[in-house]
Amino acid sequence: GAVVSQHPSRVICKSGTSVKIECRSLDFQATTMFWYRQFPKQSLMLMATSNEGSKATYEQGVEKDKFLINHASLTLSTLTVTSAHPEDSSFYICSALDRGTHEQYFGPGTRLTVT
Amino acid sequence: AQSVTQLDSQVPVFEEAPVELRCNYSSSVSVYLFWYVQYPNQGLQLLLKYLSGSTLVKGINGFEAEFNKSQTSFHLRKPSVHISDTAEYFCAVSEPGGSYIPTFGRGTSLIVHP
Repeated sequence: GAVVSQHPSRVICKSGTSVKIECRSLDFQATTMFWYRQFPKQSLMLMATSNEGSKATYEQGVEKDKFLINHASLTLSTLTVTSAHPEDSSFYICSALDRGTHEQYFGPGTRLTVT
Repeated sequence: AQSVTQLDSQVPVFEEAPVELRCNYSSSVSVYLFWYVQYPNQGLQLLLKYLSGSTLVKGINGFEAEFNKSQTSFHLRKPSVHISDTAEYFCAVSEPGGSYIPTFGRGTSLIVHP
């Protein structure tokens, strides 16, 4: 199957700083990528849909000014957590959609810890 | 709107025993159905999917699932589990021709004991 990478896999940052997470589709072009957040022992919560060349579509309750998403190319989407706070600590997972197979390919996730 | 219910939050089972993880969905239209596995601190990996055709779908690692439209179910089964199958399993549904955004169930933790 297709491969999606995320970088970094783990990051620890201080409260008030910003953190950027990259999501890359390595062997296919993804016009659509998704960003999820997962709390311990819980399911994935969709944060936003990232569309190449256009603004991201955010789910209700997700602050677009806090979670900045950029999908500048067909293989790269970035999520920037701005002015991070301890409550932003979580596991962030991206996925890339293959419209041909209707399948999402998930990245390995990024563990963010805000101290 | 679509929704997914995974009734069991945790399923303990002994090694080499069979297992069934239950998934029920609700949708007003036809659906695509998926099962994903998540190992600790990792992303999700697709086990199998139903898009159309045969209602019995075989996936990786010896798993299979059967789409039952009348019961709106898509239960996951494996005839003999291994310790390495211990993981979190998520059922998901999406609508053909829609936004492709799947709705995930809350997950079932499969715990295989030796």
